[in-house]
Amino acid sequence: DAKTTQPPSMDCAEGRAANLPCNHSTISGNEYVYWYRQIHSQGPQYIIHGLKNNETNEMASLIITEDRKSSTLILPHATLRDTAVYYCIVAETDSWGKFQFGAGTQVVVTP
Amino acid sequence: DAMVIQNPRYQVTQFGKPVTLSCSQTLNHNVMYWYQQKSSQAPKLLFHYYDKDFNNEADTPDNFQSRRPNTSFCFLDIRSPGLGDAAMYLCATSIGQTTNEKLFFGSGTQLSVL
Repeated sequence: DAKTTQPPSMDCAEGRAANLPCNHSTISGNEYVYWYRQIHSQGPQYIIHGLKNNETNEMASLIITEDRKSSTLILPHATLRDTAVYYCIVAETDSWGKFQFGAGTQVVVTP
Repeated sequence: DAMVIQNPRYQVTQFGKPVTLSCSQTLNHNVMYWYQQKSSQAPKLLFHYYDKDFNNEADTPDNFQSRRPNTSFCFLDIRSPGLGDAAMYLCATSIGQTTNEKLFFGSGTQLSVL
């Protein structure tokens, strides 16, 4: 059973913010929300993760709703190099061994 | 500076001929994973090692085996590759802790079966 639901694709204009939604309505209290991305022909790359508070790092921001049933990854100023498949994953705190990838969202950044 | 290194980048094998893919890490992480990724699909976890403890996913075919001789190296053995085993094989590592776990991936080995 899929733990997360993401739109299959979305387009974004270069320089604009990209907002990537993820639904995880069955998330449990000890599960984190993780985001990874995979640029074509490369291994996935960690972006950010959070439990219940909003998080920000040099790559992106993560907004988690108060009920934790959904989240949004924000790429503040999308560039062409952000074109990739973005995966939202929920995993328990002792999550080693339990990272299961869903279908992800194909993001295309256009000039 | 590559931290999870997979060799070779491309591997061609013949139908039924055993093949081994290798992965090494410089991160000294406890956990090493193997994922299979077929074209236009998400990565699928095959198995992982926590240190020397092997954990197989329930739906991983018996044709796939793994070895971890030491902390730094992990191998994926495909005993009798079929055409359906053509895929990108991704190795990943993680520290193996109860919080803030992250996966670090290699660049993958693209396996072709002729």
